[in-house]
Order: sequence, then structure tokens, then C-alpha cells
Amino acid sequence: NAGVTQTPKFQVLKTGQSMTLQCAQDMNHEYMSWYRQDPGMGLRLIHYSVGAGITDQGEVPNGYNVSRSTTEDFPLRLLLAAPSQTSVYFCASSPLASSYEQYFGPGTRLTVT
Amino acid sequence: QQPVQSPQAVILREGEDAVINCSSSKALYSVHWYRQKHGEAPVFLMILLKGGEQKGHEKISASFNEKKQQSSLYLTASQLSYSGTYFCGTEIDTSGTYKYIFGTGTRLKVLA
Repeated sequence: NAGVTQTPKFQVLKTGQSMTLQCAQDMNHEYMSWYRQDPGMGLRLIHYSVGAGITDQGEVPNGYNVSRSTTEDFPLRLLLAAPSQTSVYFCASSPLASSYEQYFGPGTRLTVT
Repeated sequence: QQPVQSPQAVILREGEDAVINCSSSKALYSVHWYRQKHGEAPVFLMILLKGGEQKGHEKISASFNEKKQQSSLYLTASQLSYSGTYFCGTEIDTSGTYKYIFGTGTRLKVLA
């Protein structure tokens, strides 16, 4: 099992550009989510999904879109990149139950100039 | 909604003990603890469930006070490998399903 994979590992964007961060898991997990991590702010939930075709907003969804067409994939789209979106982005997955750990991808470090 | 952790940062000498607290404004159904090394993804440490059931590993223990909506992580006889940022996590009920959120984090540094 590869677990949770994310691409790219690093990305530099100019303000106003758009891009998609990829996330895939091969553990057949129903629950998938995206977090951003900024110094002193911990991990903040952007969007999450409880199954294919079902997505919902987290705590900081503005400027991001997601879709979940398959159980395996959960891409995060930045529509019009802004310097405030400079961050480290983590994708995570788990079975849909409270007693299971979250499995994290390796992260994507994004810089918007 | 984000759980608040305290302290924000702590520095220890090897062999010393530390306690990290996690407090939520919402009811906690379970609490998870993770540790993140610099430049890496968070790694699961343990889960505490309602009723006192605890699942975890390593020489780290934790408590879960459901009434106070708080959890504490106890690091005893700290080792250099304990250095990192610690996060508590919990699920928030969302009308039949849940979303998973993390606390603000505590940076721990263990010195030789």
C-alpha cells in the first residue's frame, strides 16, 4: 500500500494563477480531508468528504474548491492564488468512524508570490 | 471551534516530564493525539474514547475528561526523540456524520 500520496511536493505560483493539488489514497477510506498548516495556527480544516460525490466545507474554505468523483482521489483546487494561501497543505484519510486515526500524506509546500 | 492547546511551547531537558493540555468548546466524543517532526506529516500517537478506553503505543499516556471537554497528554522521562509539535484532534458532529479538526498545537523541544 502506498497510503496517502500528494503531488506536487513543492509549488510556486504567481498571484492570480490557479492550480490543483492532488491527493490519492489506496486504503478504501471513506473520509478524506484537506488541511493547511501555518505557523502558530495548527492544522486548519479546508474541506472534507465522507464519500464519493459528497463534500463539505471546513473552517477555512474560501479560495478553495474540491470534488470527490472516486473513493481514491480528492483534489484541491486553488482558484485565484493569493499570497495569503502560502502554506503547507496536508491531505488525510480515514475510515468513517471516530475510533480510527487519520492517515496523512507527505504535504505540499505552496508559495504564492 | 478549533481546540485550544496549552502551553504553546515548552523546552525540557532529557528525563524531565511535561503535560500538554487540549480544551474544546464543543463536546468531545473522542480525542486523538499526534506528533509532527519538522518538515514531516503528523504521526498518530493515541486515541482516547468516551468511557475511558485508550488505544495507543509508546511510553506516553493521556487522560480524557468528557465533562470538562479536556484532554491532557503526559510525557514522562522525556527523550530527545520526543521533540516536535503535538496536536490533539477530535471529530465534530455534523448532522449524522462528522468532520475532523485539530488543535492549535504545542511545540516541544527536548535538550540533551
